[in-house]
Amino acid sequence: DTAVSQTPKYLVTQMGNDKSIKCEQNLGHDTMYWYKQDSKKFLKIMFSYNNKELIINETVPNRFSPKSPDKAHLNLHINSLELGDSAVYFCASSQEAWGEGRNEQFFGPGTRLTVL
Amino acid sequence: AQSVSQHNHHVILSEAASLELGCNYSYGGTVNLFWYVQYPGQHLQLLLKYFSGDPLVKGIKGFEAEFIKSKFSFNLRKPSVQWSDTAEYFCAVNVGSGGYQKVTFGTGTKLQVIP
Repeated sequence: DTAVSQTPKYLVTQMGNDKSIKCEQNLGHDTMYWYKQDSKKFLKIMFSYNNKELIINETVPNRFSPKSPDKAHLNLHINSLELGDSAVYFCASSQEAWGEGRNEQFFGPGTRLTVL
Repeated sequence: AQSVSQHNHHVILSEAASLELGCNYSYGGTVNLFWYVQYPGQHLQLLLKYFSGDPLVKGIKGFEAEFIKSKFSFNLRKPSVQWSDTAEYFCAVNVGSGGYQKVTFGTGTKLQVIP
């Protein structure tokens, strides 16, 4: 029973292409996130959605467009892929977006994107 | 805004050695602190967390961490490491502001345990 799942696990594509990554959580959480982990393992938040609404957008190029059809799903679409987009993208979820900040985040297995 | 620094980028230990990984945060108010672990090829998972109360918290797999407010630190420790502890370790902080939450991660420490 995977709590947070992502597809695909690996994605290899050419510069200039458009690609999507899908994420689903079955934990009943209200909040979902996209993180980018670069080659030095630095983990940086990109977006956060609470109950289908965008609440955090961290200076990410507008080639990246998240979409949340319902609170269990958060997809990431990337237009005009560039070499610098190569990274591992992690989806995560947590129980709620606000409050005391005590909620653990549950991470998906990651999608390794390689742009050639 | 809060920030987190992990001073050790790469630590190499022999099995049975003791481990201490440093984590310092900068934020003047109430903080919630986490350690996550990422085993090779896997996703991040929670090791332990601190919100309030006893500053020495115990997590899974024999790990513990101590919150020292005066030093703005939350160092991770384990008395005797095993080869299976080889992983990347991330310290994270989330401030209790009551608004929308954003977790800030440190840059990670790669731990390599040699059999």
